[in-house]
Amino acid sequence: GESVGLHLPTLSVQEGDNSIINCAYSNSASDYFIWYKQESGKGPQFIIDIRSNMDKRQGQRVTVLLNKTVKHLSLQIAATQPGDSAVYFCAENGVRGGSEKLVFGKGTKLTVNP
Amino acid sequence: ETGVTQSPTHLIKTRGQQVTLRCSSQSGHNTVSWYQQALGQGPQFIFQYYREEENGRGNFPPRFSGLQFPNYSSELNVNALELDDSALYLCASSPGLAGAITDTQYFGPGTRLTVL
Repeated sequence: GESVGLHLPTLSVQEGDNSIINCAYSNSASDYFIWYKQESGKGPQFIIDIRSNMDKRQGQRVTVLLNKTVKHLSLQIAATQPGDSAVYFCAENGVRGGSEKLVFGKGTKLTVNP
Repeated sequence: ETGVTQSPTHLIKTRGQQVTLRCSSQSGHNTVSWYQQALGQGPQFIFQYYREEENGRGNFPPRFSGLQFPNYSSELNVNALELDDSALYLCASSPGLAGAITDTQYFGPGTRLTVL
């Protein structure tokens, strides 16, 4: 099966709270990770990425943390808004057919309650 | 909006038929990747094209094939459809060199294929 997985399939938070979405990966050779957001009826949208030589990277209201020791990735969303409701996928670089390609996890559905 | 479009939006086929899905990449994007996303799952890589040639393939049988054209459009063809082929098919274009994993991929909205 795929090497990237999620700890929780669903997450429900109140508007204004911080959200944390987790991801475990099993391929210790992976050195590049991306978080995508997929809203209903749309394709995945790039949120933020991180390379394995970093353990933290911040964007606008989002932070990605990488713990290579336990092969764990997390996405933190500050002051979660209703527009953040979506399915969130982590992805890693994996080798498919001899070429380096993205391997996606199953996703976590985030619901933001007003 | 990513500037990547796909057609049709929805499609219903019967087992054994053939289907062609289309994607229009952003102008200037030489790389296009196709993914299959089953319900409740993450996208699975099918294959990638760079400048009209296949550049890497995932674990999909040969009845999944593709074409990329000089005008930044591409096709995914699936022969001998099976029930398990029912899924959302996504294309994603990226501007840089083929296989550059760190190149941001811009996804289209997908085509929902139902095989009966």
